[in-house]
This record gives sequence, structure tokens and C-alpha cells, in this order.
Amino acid sequence: SQELEQSPQSLIVQEGKNLTINCTSSKTLYGLYWYKQKYGEGLIFLMMLQKGGEEKSHEKITAKLDEKKQQSSLHITASQPSHAGIYLCGADTSGAGSYQLTFGKGTKLSVIP
Amino acid sequence: DAMVIQNPRYQVTQFGKPVTLSCSQTLNHNVMYWYQQKSSQAPKLLFHYYDKDFNNEADTPDNFQSRRPNTSFCFLDIRSPGLGDAAMYLCATGRGGGYGYTFGSGTRLTVV
Repeated sequence: SQELEQSPQSLIVQEGKNLTINCTSSKTLYGLYWYKQKYGEGLIFLMMLQKGGEEKSHEKITAKLDEKKQQSSLHITASQPSHAGIYLCGADTSGAGSYQLTFGKGTKLSVIP
Repeated sequence: DAMVIQNPRYQVTQFGKPVTLSCSQTLNHNVMYWYQQKSSQAPKLLFHYYDKDFNNEADTPDNFQSRRPNTSFCFLDIRSPGLGDAAMYLCATGRGGGYGYTFGSGTRLTVV
């Protein structure tokens, strides 16, 4: 089965600072998704990466998938309190013949004003 | 807007009393998923429907059942909720084949 390791488990940063969250897979990633979750709420889609070396940005968030397609990073520039929440990476196992997402345990981000 | 809607947002049920959570979608996606997420844990897939084909994860307890009467609706039935079933239940839809997944806002289940 696909296993995803996220690091760090939690992160506290001062507003305005940059930060990076990592997601490492035990197998080749056919698709890698990043979601954000506020406490007690559903998952908000951030980005999807499929190609080795791919990089996508939206506002102050950039996600990258390495060439070997086994590691992804999520980088937030000039963090704001609105960035606080739990960030989850999810691996798409569709390439292996199934159609589902397997998640990492998440990274809890707190941003101090 | 096309979306995935879960009802209710919060559900309180008594220990052992059957409960049903609902999910509807306007995206016309083939695949519908139910995830269970306990506090500070990753969402865990319980089962999914690919069209009418039901796919149960090997470690999903028998206490959990699902129904999909049509493309738009999917239900999660918990036959005899235990205290350990208290969690956030997330419904998601997809088209299969890596085209992305859309999640609902979740139903937080409390068992008393």
C-alpha cells in the first residue's frame, strides 16, 4: 500500500515568515494532492501535481514534485494567520489501477501574528 | 456552483442507535468515497462506489455500510455506533483516473 510521511508534524511560525512542509512517499506517485483543512471542516483543494519536476503556485503557496516522483514540498511565502490549519498531502493510486486517495497524517500549521 | 454536500454538519447519536449520514453531489462524478477522520489523524478510506460497484476496504468494520441509490447520492449507515466511531466523516467524489477529488464539508459524529 502507498504510505506517505509528512514532516514536520506541527509548525509554529511568526507571521511574515516562510515555511516548507514535506511529503515523502514509499512508492512512485502517480498524482500528489495538497489539501488544507481547518479544524472541524472539510478538505479544501490546493494543488495537484502529476509530472516529475512539476511546480505549481497559487497566491503565496508553491508546491513541487521531485523528478523521481517520490517527494513533494509545499512552500508558503510570507505566512499570514489565514494560512493556519492542517495541511494534508494525498497520493493518488489511480496509476496502480485503483481510484482513491491515501493521505499522510498532516502538518498542523500555526501562524502567530 | 457544482459541489459535494454533506448533511448534517453535526450529528449526535446514542450508543448502539443506528445512524445515517448523507452525501449528495452535483458534479456527476462516477466515484463517491467515504472517509473517516479521527482527531489528529489522517482521513482513512472506508469504502467507495465506482458507479454502482461497491468497493469495501479490507479493514472497514462490518458495522459500516453504504448505499448509492443513484449517481447523485451516497449514504453511510452505521448500524450500531460505538464510542470509538465518533469522528469526522468526509464524503468525496472523483472521476477516477487521477482527475481530481472534491470533498464535502464533513459530518462530525458524536456518540453519547
